[in-house]
Amino acid sequence: SYVLTQPPSVSVAPGKTARITCGGNNIGIKNVHWYQQKPGQAPVLVIYYDSDRPSGIPERFSGSNSGNTASLTIIRVEAGDEADYFCQVWDSSSGHVFGTGTKVTVL
Amino acid sequence: QLQLQESGPGLVKPSETLSLTCTVSGGFISSSSFYWGWVRQPPGKGLEWIGSISYSGNTYYNPSLKSRVTVSVVPSQNLFFLKLTSVTAADTAVYYCARHPVDMAARPYGWFDTWGQGTLVTVAS
Repeated sequence: SYVLTQPPSVSVAPGKTARITCGGNNIGIKNVHWYQQKPGQAPVLVIYYDSDRPSGIPERFSGSNSGNTASLTIIRVEAGDEADYFCQVWDSSSGHVFGTGTKVTVL
Repeated sequence: QLQLQESGPGLVKPSETLSLTCTVSGGFISSSSFYWGWVRQPPGKGLEWIGSISYSGNTYYNPSLKSRVTVSVVPSQNLFFLKLTSVTAADTAVYYCARHPVDMAARPYGWFDTWGQGTLVTVAS
């Protein structure tokens, strides 16, 4: 089965930049999507097709994907960005696969 | 504005069948542009896709759950359903229903753009 690996946690000071990675075998040839999930809430799509932002998502959120690693970058981090973040891809053998998740803590 | 709402028992006994309903409002299930899916999240853990269905009844399932899962739809009532048989404590989770658009080739391989609020199902005797 296809596995997506994320760091368990990322800590960042307000106003700084957070980068969350999502590792998978040849993930660069897949479309990667990212979700933000705050405690007690459903996930919210923040990036789709590697780097596209849904309407209403701030430009501070961006994504990239190449080789074996996809990344979600949040610039000018705010307290409200504190949440869990999950990557997701489609794999022909496994179906929809989610990453292990990364907890972003704003210091 | 599209909304999804899960409903069903919050407690299921081991070895029994978990049954959930997702009610879609503010839009119609009968669109060829979307599939409708189920995703679960055990307490404190990550997300796991369970299965998805089109309005016409085309289904596809997580291979690891396929033998126990059935997803069905009633487009005329804007409802779709999840059944998971032979449950164990490992099936305790928050269950979400969600919509996902098809890609340019009409394949349901994309992202989940609208989610229900989720419902906690506990498997215990």
